[in-house]
Amino acid sequence: AQSVTQPDIHITVSEGASLELRCNYSYGATPYLFWYVQSPGQGLQLLLKYFSGDTLVQGIKGFEAEFKRSQSSFNLRKPSVHWSDAAEYFCAVGPYSGGGADGLTFGKGTHLIIQP
Amino acid sequence: EAGVVQSPRYKIIEKKQPVAFWCNPISGHNTLYWYLQNLGQGPELLIRYENEEAVDDSQLPKDRFSAERLKGVDSTLKIQPAELGDSAVYLCASSLGGTNNEQFFGPGTRLTVL
Repeated sequence: AQSVTQPDIHITVSEGASLELRCNYSYGATPYLFWYVQSPGQGLQLLLKYFSGDTLVQGIKGFEAEFKRSQSSFNLRKPSVHWSDAAEYFCAVGPYSGGGADGLTFGKGTHLIIQP
Repeated sequence: EAGVVQSPRYKIIEKKQPVAFWCNPISGHNTLYWYLQNLGQGPELLIRYENEEAVDDSQLPKDRFSAERLKGVDSTLKIQPAELGDSAVYLCASSLGGTNNEQFFGPGTRLTVL
């Protein structure tokens, strides 16, 4: 069965500093990978996704992520964080079964705190 | 374009009472999902619909949970009777399905069972 590990429960970053959130997955084939952000009381918003092709994907709000098959990782990065980036970030993996789009398997999330 | 709509946003009930959540997916999205999100955790899939057919309900506790998606559009998730441990956020998501697995999430319903 697939699984997602986000090793960091909390991360604190100073505003303007760079950010990297770690994500490791376990899946038997090439996965579909996603990063979602969730602000308090809000639903999940898709930041970016990887299906195939270029392993460095660009997303919204200045985020990017790199798929590294050899490390089973899909880390999220941002060169300079803003106070509005404070939120919960979820990495997810989702296979394609051929008969439809299966449900996603999520990590437990990383809580990002921005220091002024 | 409207996103995924869920209601109510918040619900407080006493244990052993029934409760129902409603979801309206994005127009044209054939695939609909219900997820459960416990505090401090990532969402976990409860059930997935392809049109009106439940194609994956393996994680749905069928002794107290039920769901339906009449006419392949709106969906309702019901709990009867509710237990204290059911307190969580219930998220609905939809996608076009097929090769596109991008899921769009609603704001969720936060359930508190007293």
